[in-house]
Amino acid sequence: AQSVTQLGSHVSVSEGALVLLRCNYSSSVPPYLFWYVQYPNQGLQLLLKYTTGATLVKGINGFEAEFKKSETSFHLTKPSAHMSDAAEYFCAVSGPASKLTFGTGTRLQVTL
Amino acid sequence: DVKVTQSSRYLVKRTGEKVFLECVQDMDHENMFWYRQDPGLGLRLIYFSYDVKMKEKGDIPEGYSVSREKKERFSLILESASTNQTSMYLCASSRGTENTGELFFGEGSRLTVL
Repeated sequence: AQSVTQLGSHVSVSEGALVLLRCNYSSSVPPYLFWYVQYPNQGLQLLLKYTTGATLVKGINGFEAEFKKSETSFHLTKPSAHMSDAAEYFCAVSGPASKLTFGTGTRLQVTL
Repeated sequence: DVKVTQSSRYLVKRTGEKVFLECVQDMDHENMFWYRQDPGLGLRLIYFSYDVKMKEKGDIPEGYSVSREKKERFSLILESASTNQTSMYLCASSRGTENTGELFFGEGSRLTVL
């Protein structure tokens, strides 16, 4: 069975500051890991994913995440926050046949 | 543009009514999913389907059923709506041949049951 834990339901950063959203996973098999973003009144869209290979993964809009097996983590970062990054972010882990298990989400607020 | 379309963005129904939520995808995807999204609980899988006329229960199937008569269409049915089914419902699809977990989501259907 797979599960993910997102630490912090709300994160607030200043525009231009580092964004760090935390995700830890549990998986009985080598995991596929994902970050999705949901803007207000919209569905989710894929931000980035780790399947195999390079452990540092780059996604859209300047986000990246690093798979750390020893820490069972897949934290999402962005060097400099923009107002347009305000959204809800979901970490997810994949099991067999594309069935994803999502975390509870982290709402990112960006202030001036 | 590839698309997952959910027929209703907002619905208001009364307790005991039968509710249909429709989802259509134009990407020829094999897999389709229905999730429920609630604050603080994230997304929870209700039902999914890997092929036409095939369905499997997710984590919270109670009170719901589904129908997949055509590859592109996956319907969620609430036989007798209850107030605890007030929620945001998200449909998603993915390719069946790749186990990459990349889902394509619709914009959601916000259901209120009075």
